[in-house]
Amino acid sequence: GDSVTQMEGPVTLSEEACLTINCTYTATGYPSLFWYVQYPGEGLQLLLKATKADDKGSNKGFEATYRKETTSFHLEKGSVQVSDSAVYFCALSEGIKAAGNKLTFGGGTRVLVKP
Amino acid sequence: DSGVTQTPKHLITATGQRVTLRCSPRSGDLSVYWYQQSLDQGLQFLIQYYNGEERAKGNILERFSAQQFPDLHSELNLSSLELGDSALYFCASSVAFQITDTQYFGPGTRLTVL
Repeated sequence: GDSVTQMEGPVTLSEEACLTINCTYTATGYPSLFWYVQYPGEGLQLLLKATKADDKGSNKGFEATYRKETTSFHLEKGSVQVSDSAVYFCALSEGIKAAGNKLTFGGGTRVLVKP
Repeated sequence: DSGVTQTPKHLITATGQRVTLRCSPRSGDLSVYWYQQSLDQGLQFLIQYYNGEERAKGNILERFSAQQFPDLHSELNLSSLELGDSALYFCASSVAFQITDTQYFGPGTRLTVL
């Protein structure tokens, strides 16, 4: 079955540092890939998505490129802020008929940005 | 604000009891999904409805059931509750059921079983 593996946290950074969260996936078809962010005490918010190979998703300074050859979708930001402190989830939607278009999530990576 | 509403925000109950969680999707969305978030299992898909019909089932226990009503709101019923059912339950909605469709999540219902 499909699965998502992302680096374990917590990741602790200083403000203005670069952030990279690695995400790799296993899927039998051609999934869509997503990054969601969960701020403390809140639900999940879509950060960005990519629906086909070599697509780059971007939002709020975050970027991720759908790499089919390496089955990866790493999240990057060049300069983080304290407000970026959250848990980040990588997810895929494969669309196998029996599974609908459910999201399969990675374990989440907690990021803490210190001033 | 995603436009997806969930009630109640918090629920505290005892083992063996039954509870109902409610979700209203974004205006115009026909698909509703339920997910469970727990410390040991992470985020897991439970079930999906599209326009009133069950479309896909995930790791949903037999003690749990759900439905989507004609007005498209959905309810998740949890019965014979056990301590291990304590978790955050999220509802999400999307326009349809394409793998490219974005799922928008509600704020969640935190269930505590004592």
